[in-house]
Amino acid sequence: GQQLNQSPQSMFIQEGEDVSMNCTSSSIFNTWLWYKQDPGEGPVLLIALYKAGELTSNGRLTAQFGITRKDSFLNISASIPSDVGIYFCAGRVIGSSNTGKLIFGQGTTLQVKP
Amino acid sequence: GAVVSQHPSRVICKSGTSVKIECRSLDFQATTMFWYRQFPKKSLMLMATSNEGSKATYEQGVEKDKFLINHASLTLSTLTVTSAHPEDSSFYICSARGGGPGGSQPQHFGDGTRLSIL
Repeated sequence: GQQLNQSPQSMFIQEGEDVSMNCTSSSIFNTWLWYKQDPGEGPVLLIALYKAGELTSNGRLTAQFGITRKDSFLNISASIPSDVGIYFCAGRVIGSSNTGKLIFGQGTTLQVKP
Repeated sequence: GAVVSQHPSRVICKSGTSVKIECRSLDFQATTMFWYRQFPKKSLMLMATSNEGSKATYEQGVEKDKFLINHASLTLSTLTVTSAHPEDSSFYICSARGGGPGGSQPQHFGDGTRLSIL
């Protein structure tokens, strides 16, 4: 079945550093989403990407939808302690008609050292 | 932004009990709702997709008689774990998606329910 490979699995960085994570797949997706999950809570949508090549920012976050529609990256600039959490990419399955079914990456755990 | 409320946030009960979890979209009409299960330090695993007024579509390997899903209105879906056993202990998360062409609207998630079966 369709799978997303998300990397890195975890990151431990110094406050103020920039962060980059990405997702790749052998399948094509027509939507890429990036979510952040804090412990014991549900994922919160950060950025949604709908077109190949699209580059979108949300504050210090920037994400791009790869031209091949098989990959996406998320960058976080000038990290702060509250950026700690698990970041998930998700791709919307082609041919899922109106359901919008998503496939999730394995997650990237981010830790920020003050 | 879109708000999805999930209740209860935590349940602890005895083996054999049936547990109902509610998922509500508070400020939009959710044509489709999804139920996920998440194990510690793992990604979200889709259990089923439900459309308002129709039967849920279950993912392979998920027992539909074990995990009963009802989506009776555009703002409410429920997941009932029937005759729960310790192996059903997990973090269950719902999400909701509003209408839109070809399912283009993003999913918004509830805060999850921590189910612990003793």
